[in-house]
Amino acid sequence: EDQVTQSPEALRLQEGESSSLNCSYTVSGLRGLFWYRQDPGKGPEFLFTLYSAGEEKEKERLKATLTKKESFLHITAPKPEDSATYLCAVQPTNNAGNMLTFGGGTRLMVKP
Amino acid sequence: NAGVTQTPKFRILKIGQSMTLQCAQDMNHNYMYWYRQDPGMGLKLIYYSVGAGITDKGEVPNGYNVSRSTTEDFPLRLELAAPSQTSVYFCASSWAGLEAFFGQGTRLTVV
Repeated sequence: EDQVTQSPEALRLQEGESSSLNCSYTVSGLRGLFWYRQDPGKGPEFLFTLYSAGEEKEKERLKATLTKKESFLHITAPKPEDSATYLCAVQPTNNAGNMLTFGGGTRLMVKP
Repeated sequence: NAGVTQTPKFRILKIGQSMTLQCAQDMNHNYMYWYRQDPGMGLKLIYYSVGAGITDKGEVPNGYNVSRSTTEDFPLRLELAAPSQTSVYFCASSWAGLEAFFGQGTRLTVV
């Protein structure tokens, strides 16, 4: 069974204090790993897709990396507007609907 | 280009009532999905569709039904609502299983 575990569940940072969010996964075969951002009362917003171990992608203060067992979302010098819940999801191979299996999310709070 | 539009945004149902959650996308995506999100939990897949006329069950389909008569629309039907169906429901669409775009959600309370 495909599983995705995110840690920590919640993270409080001071503005400018860099940190990383972890996404550990178990999947029979990985087609892609997705990161989403979700603001309160809104739907998830796509950030990145990673396809193979060693791949990295960046967007502003965010950088996502992928190994064979986990992915990290690194946040460099965060700002209060980076506060949100970050969701990780895996898309297995041999998956007729190209469905995503989501982790529980990490709620990030950045204080000024 | 509105993306994925869900209606209603909020709804309160009484136990045993039925309702349909509407979802429409204007991106000509072939794949569409319904997820539910409970507090502190990840999204769970209810049903999905790979194209008009084709639907299949996800992880938690009991108590729900779907149809896909057009590419654009993917309504979710709740029959005989139960308190366990209190949740936030998200519709999403994607092209060929690439990144999914989500609607704003429907917050449903069953009392």
